[in-house]
Amino acid sequence: EDQVTQSPEALRLQEGESSSLNCSYTVSGLRGLFWYRQDPGKGPEFLFTLYSAGEEKEKERLKATLTKKESFLHITAPKPEDSATYLCAVPGQAGTALIFGKGTTLSVSS
Amino acid sequence: DAGVTQSPTHLIKTRGQQVTLRCSPKSGHDTVSWYQQALGQGPQFIFQYYEEEERQRGNFPDRFSGHQFPNYSSELNVNALLLGDSALYLCASGSGTVRFFGPGTRLTVL
Repeated sequence: EDQVTQSPEALRLQEGESSSLNCSYTVSGLRGLFWYRQDPGKGPEFLFTLYSAGEEKEKERLKATLTKKESFLHITAPKPEDSATYLCAVPGQAGTALIFGKGTTLSVSS
Repeated sequence: DAGVTQSPTHLIKTRGQQVTLRCSPKSGHDTVSWYQQALGQGPQFIFQYYEEEERQRGNFPDRFSGHQFPNYSSELNVNALLLGDSALYLCASGSGTVRFFGPGTRLTVL
């Protein structure tokens, strides 16, 4: 069964304290792994797509990496404005419908 | 360039009623998907439309139906509303596997 699991569920950081979010997946024939940021009550905002093991993408303080079984979202020197829920998703075997994890809620305090 | 737009922003209905939600995709996108997001959960795939036909469907009852128009915009209809249908309904558009989400419609069923 296609599945995406994210950990931790919640993460509290001090401003400037770097950390990583994990996304593990089980799907046959990975056709991309997607990271989104979601603010409360808003729609998910697209961040990155990764397609093959070893691939890395960066955007400001965020860097996403991919292995054959999991992806990491590294956040370097976070700021309070990075506080949000970060969602990971993969297309299922049956088509292009995205299967999402439950997300990691990040809180960064100054 | 306008992104994905959805209407209305919020909606309150009572059990047993019917509701219609609307979505306009991002310019250049021909595929529209709908997702349901309960509080504290990741989005769950409802169905996907391409060329005015339902191409893929998630594990949702027949009370959930949709339509895509020639201009690629889409509607989500839910009949016989239940309390458990209260959620954020997200529309996503894309070409290929990448999906861009709208701001969502918050549906509350009383």
